[in-house]
Amino acid sequence: NAGVTQTPKFQVLKTGQSMTLQCAQDMNHNSMYWYRQDPGMGLRLIYYSASEGTTDKGEVPNGYNVSRLNKREFSLRLESAAPSQTSVYFCASSVRDSVGSGNTIYFGEGSWLTVV
Amino acid sequence: GENVEQHPSTLSVQEGDSAVIKCTYSDSASNYFPWYKQELGKRPQLIIDIRSNVGEKKDQRIAVTLNKTAKHFSLHITETQPEDSAVYFCAASWHASGGSYIPTFGRGTSLIVHP
Repeated sequence: NAGVTQTPKFQVLKTGQSMTLQCAQDMNHNSMYWYRQDPGMGLRLIYYSASEGTTDKGEVPNGYNVSRLNKREFSLRLESAAPSQTSVYFCASSVRDSVGSGNTIYFGEGSWLTVV
Repeated sequence: GENVEQHPSTLSVQEGDSAVIKCTYSDSASNYFPWYKQELGKRPQLIIDIRSNVGEKKDQRIAVTLNKTAKHFSLHITETQPEDSAVYFCAASWHASGGSYIPTFGRGTSLIVHP
């Protein structure tokens, strides 16, 4: 099992350009997430998808869109990149909870994005 | 949503000492509290977790404690080793719409273990 795979690993964008970060998991997980990580700010949730066909905003959704293409894939799109979106992006997945609490989430390796 | 506070932001210890990282959360409905370790340039990985029906959990040199009344939980690492040097994140899972439980993370603690 590859777990959670995200691409690209590194990307440099110019302000105003668009791009899509791809994520796929092979663990048959229902829930998928996109987080961004900035120094001193921890991991902040951008969007999540509790199950195939649903998506919801997290803490910092502005400037991003997502698509849950199928159960395996969850992509993150930057329509018009800004320097403030320079960050490390992590895709993650988890089994959807069935006992009234959370479950372990598994992270991809991260995508380092620089917007100049 | 949920708000998770984590302290300290940086912790420096000598090899063999103990390290304690503390977190508080705001949503009394949260009932799953994982801890993640992130080495430099790597992804965060789960090291231990605790659910609200348990007050303490141990796994070799690491332990977590949970006080639901006070809404705080802690990570304890004993006999620290240089390979324990990393950033540690606590999290609390909150109940989102649609029945999902979403983890909210603290800002992280950079643990440095000096040989």
